[in-house]
Order: sequence, then C-alpha cells, then structure tokens
Amino acid sequence: DVKVTQSSRYLVKRTGEKVFLECVQDMDHENMFWYRQDPGLGLRLIYFSYDVKMKEKGDIPEGYSVSREKKERFSLILESASTNQTSMYLCASSLGGTVYTEAFFGQGTRLTVV
Amino acid sequence: AQSVTQLDSQVPVFEEAPVELRCNYSSSVSVYLFWYVQYPNQGLQLLLKYLSGSTLVKGINGFEAEFNKSQTSFHLRKPSVHISDTAEYFCAVSNAGGTSYGKLTFGQGTILTVHP
Repeated sequence: DVKVTQSSRYLVKRTGEKVFLECVQDMDHENMFWYRQDPGLGLRLIYFSYDVKMKEKGDIPEGYSVSREKKERFSLILESASTNQTSMYLCASSLGGTVYTEAFFGQGTRLTVV
Repeated sequence: AQSVTQLDSQVPVFEEAPVELRCNYSSSVSVYLFWYVQYPNQGLQLLLKYLSGSTLVKGINGFEAEFNKSQTSFHLRKPSVHISDTAEYFCAVSNAGGTSYGKLTFGQGTILTVHP
C-alpha cells in the first residue's frame, strides 16, 4: 500500500514563528502536493512539485513556500505564521507524468497559530 | 479555470435510506471527475473516479456516480446507507489533458450524517 506520512497530526505555534510541515511518501512518486482544508471551502492547492527541486504555485501560495530536496520528502514552510493560517493541511502524492494518476493523501496536520 | 460546486453542505438521512450527494462543475476543457471520502480525523480516500467510458461509475462501499456532460454534473448515490457512511464527501475535478500533473480542484464538501 502507498503510504503518505505527515510528521505531525497536531501542531500549535505562535504568531511569527517559522513552521515546517513535513511529508514523506514511500512509493517513489514523482508528484507531491500540499492542500489546505477549511470548513465550507473544501481543499485548496497551495503548492505542488513534479520532480526533485521543481515546484509550482497552486491557487493559494501566499504566505507559504516549499522545499523538495529528496524525491520522497516534500516540506511546506510558513515563513512567519499568522492566525489566518490556522487550518488542516493535507499532503498528497501521485505516480508522475503530466496527466492524471491517482493521488494518495496523508492523515493531515491540524495547525493552530495562536 | 475550473470550479466545483457541491449543492448541499449537510445531508442528514436515516439508516437504510437512499442518498444522493450533488456535484456540479465548470470547466472550459475536458475533465476527469472524482469523489473522495474523509472519515473523522483521517485523510481522504478515493471512492470512485470517472476518466472515460461508461458514464455510470461504481466505487467502493456500494457507492456509484453518474457523469452527465450536458448538465456538467457528477452526482453520488447509494441505495441504502449505513451508520458507517457518516463522513464528509468531496467532489473533485482534474484536467483531462495538457500538463495538469493530476492537480485536483475540490468542491466545498458535503457532510453526510446517517441516523439510526
């Protein structure tokens, strides 16, 4: 089974802190994604990566950056956390290529910024 | 640009009753269509997908959906629900061509609550 593991289920951080959310997949997938989930808004794409060191902005990249130094790991970075970044963050991965392949999701990280 | 609208934010039903969760989409290009389920405190799990072929798609746990291109809809149905179907359901689309990389655009979600 494909496994997408997010390093933390729950995080509480202070306003202004630099926050790292980590995601690891074990199936040699090329594509990795970070989504943000908010009630009534569904999931929105923050960033995705289609190869090591390659990244593209999604629909809501403001206030976030990403890093992909190794194929299996995709990190989401909040440079200076703010309260409006309190949310559930979901990582996903898929096999690769430019068209659709099934995406597998991690369990999510619920981030609270106080 | 694409968008997905789930017409009901909450759907309460009684156990063993039928249910339909409605989804409409807007896109200027051909799309693939999906339904995902999220149980409490868990990630998303794929229920079913439409890529091509028959417009009636069967998925896991007895769910099915029908792609209606003229009405740009992809409604999810189950003839008889169980308590264990209580969850949030998301409809999603992805570009069927070009360099989409499988990026998904999601609807707002529908919370299905099954009562005994």
